Amino acid sequence: EADIYQTPRYLVIGTGKKITLECSQTMGHDKMYWYQQDPGMELHLIHYSYGVNSTEKGDLSSESTVSRIRTEHFPLTLESARPSHTSQYLCASSEIGDGNYGYTFGSGTRLTVV
Amino acid sequence: GENVEQHPSTLSVQEGDSAVIKCTYSDSASNYFPWYKQELGKGPQLIIDIRSNVGEKKDQRIAVTLNKTAKHFSLHITETQPEDSAVYFCAAHEGGRRALTFGSGTRLQVQP
Repeated sequence: EADIYQTPRYLVIGTGKKITLECSQTMGHDKMYWYQQDPGMELHLIHYSYGVNSTEKGDLSSESTVSRIRTEHFPLTLESARPSHTSQYLCASSEIGDGNYGYTFGSGTRLTVV
Repeated sequence: GENVEQHPSTLSVQEGDSAVIKCTYSDSASNYFPWYKQELGKGPQLIIDIRSNVGEKKDQRIAVTLNKTAKHFSLHITETQPEDSAVYFCAAHEGGRRALTFGSGTRLQVQP
């Protein structure tokens, strides 16, 4: 049973539209992450957060933005979607603790921009 | 920063055989090594992890071994079953670093 929820699961949208992918967790985790997963399977970190009002860009440059106003919520926004944004987006969370770095992932949002 | 290499990228075994997936890491400061299983249409799920003060850990049919000197760690699945078919990811964490570094994934296919 998932403790981290992503909505929508699937989204098909036209070029130029603004979209927000939702991610919420009920575990009280301080750290949250967004990964982009390409068809070749690899996971690319695009954003992460250590806590409320803390956001950082990841290893892969992304035109998306994130916010962290509440501990449990970490939405990702694309102001103007393009076909190159078509991908699977995975949200994850973890505790901040010495030696405890395991992630819990959501089920993902598969985005298609036409 | 950390770099994790994972091999093979695809692996096909017969049901009942063993499967081994290997990863190497670059940063000797890494101290936590989880393995994730991703089934079709789902997010990755943690299946086993090991910390640098332990050489081996087992959980039923899966085991992970760690060789700190050589900087590599492996996932072993014994008596494979069709439901083991999935993509498996290894990862490493340096402790102070912001996020896990993932390997590139291994697609395991267990033939019935």
